[in-house]
Amino acid sequence: AQSVTQLGSHVSVSEGALVLLRCNYSSSVPPYLFWYVQYPNQGLQLLLKYTSAATLVKGINGFEAEFKKSETSFHLTKPSAHMSDAAEYFCAVSENNAGNMLTFGGGTRLMVKP
Amino acid sequence: DSGVTQTPKHLITATGQRVTLRCSPRSGDLSVYWYQQSLDQGLQFLIQYYNGEERAKGNILERFSAQQFPDLHSELNLSSLELGDSALYFCASSDSRGSDTQYFGPGTRLTVL
Repeated sequence: AQSVTQLGSHVSVSEGALVLLRCNYSSSVPPYLFWYVQYPNQGLQLLLKYTSAATLVKGINGFEAEFKKSETSFHLTKPSAHMSDAAEYFCAVSENNAGNMLTFGGGTRLMVKP
Repeated sequence: DSGVTQTPKHLITATGQRVTLRCSPRSGDLSVYWYQQSLDQGLQFLIQYYNGEERAKGNILERFSAQQFPDLHSELNLSSLELGDSALYFCASSDSRGSDTQYFGPGTRLTVL
């Protein structure tokens, strides 16, 4: 069985500061890992995904994430926060089984202060 | 715009009623997934269809059912609705080849009064 834990349901940073959103996963097989962003009253948009190629994955809007097998982590970072980054972020894991269903973490709401 | 469409955008109904949510996947995608997002349960996988056949089942209640039609659109049927069924219901689609990405629709917000 797979699971995802996102540490911190709310994270607040100042504009221009580093963004770090934490994600730890458990999976019985090598996982595929995803970060999605959800803006208010919208669906989920893919930020980036890890699929066993490079461990450092670059995504859209300046975000990146590093897969660390030894730590079972896939933390999301961005060097400099913008006001437009304020949203809810979801980490998800998928095992390449028959379903490819996504198991999501509880989400982290990112607030950006001016 | 992900290319996945969902109708209706909002749905308000009463307890005990039945509703149908509709999803059209991206052009060429064979897989459709349904997810429920609620305040207490978060985002949970309900069910997946691949080219018309059920492929995987998650935490879907017996009162809920889904199907995928020959044109690949999908419908999620929710019956005997309860207050606790109020949630955002998302549909996602993918081409289901290996580590494929799921693209999400804008969701249907269901309110049960």
